[in-house]
Amino acid sequence: DQQVKQNSPSLSVQEGRISILNCDYTNSMFDYFLWYKKYPAEGPTFLISISSIKDKNEDGRFTVFLNKSAKHLSLHIVPSQPGDSAVYFCAASAEGGKLIFGQGTELSVKP
Amino acid sequence: DAGVIQSPRHEVTEMGQEVTLRCKPISGHDYLFWYRQTMMRGLELLIYFNNNVPIDDSGMPEDRFSAKMPNASFSTLKIQPSEPRDSAVYFCASTEDPDRAYEQYFGPGTRLTVT
Repeated sequence: DQQVKQNSPSLSVQEGRISILNCDYTNSMFDYFLWYKKYPAEGPTFLISISSIKDKNEDGRFTVFLNKSAKHLSLHIVPSQPGDSAVYFCAASAEGGKLIFGQGTELSVKP
Repeated sequence: DAGVIQSPRHEVTEMGQEVTLRCKPISGHDYLFWYRQTMMRGLELLIYFNNNVPIDDSGMPEDRFSAKMPNASFSTLKIQPSEPRDSAVYFCASTEDPDRAYEQYFGPGTRLTVT
């Protein structure tokens, strides 16, 4: 069973608009959440993270929101750029630095 | 640093053959992870090592899969015998800081096709 779920396999957004990627999790013991970005033929790269004691973390155009009561997090990209087109993976940190990933959401930002 | 290095980048093999995937972590990184990416399940952790010792192999699908880390700069993931359902992209990742072990650096992956 998937402890981390990304229910939208794809998302298409116009350049300059906001992209919102969503992620749900089931285990309330997760203490850290991360987003990774992956381009074709490359490995995932770390994008942004948030501790479970916070509800928001911002880094430039990227903001992650955490709603612990709903076991939900989201990544907002504003404004979206064509170079943001990639697969985005949500992940949760479990014991020992182990990461549990979602299925990924493919974002396409159209000019 | 060259980053995490994986070889081969692509592997095509026939069902029943043995497959060995290789990984060189970033120098100084004490944690090494093997993942498998499929469309249905996304990125799944197969096994991870700390200081060359396997810590958690609960994600290894079955006995056909085995992983070793004979030294700090090299790890292998072996599938014997391989089956078509093993076709996927296999990633290796490493990290140095146990307090931030969740920020992992990934290699480019090995795309495995079993016919």
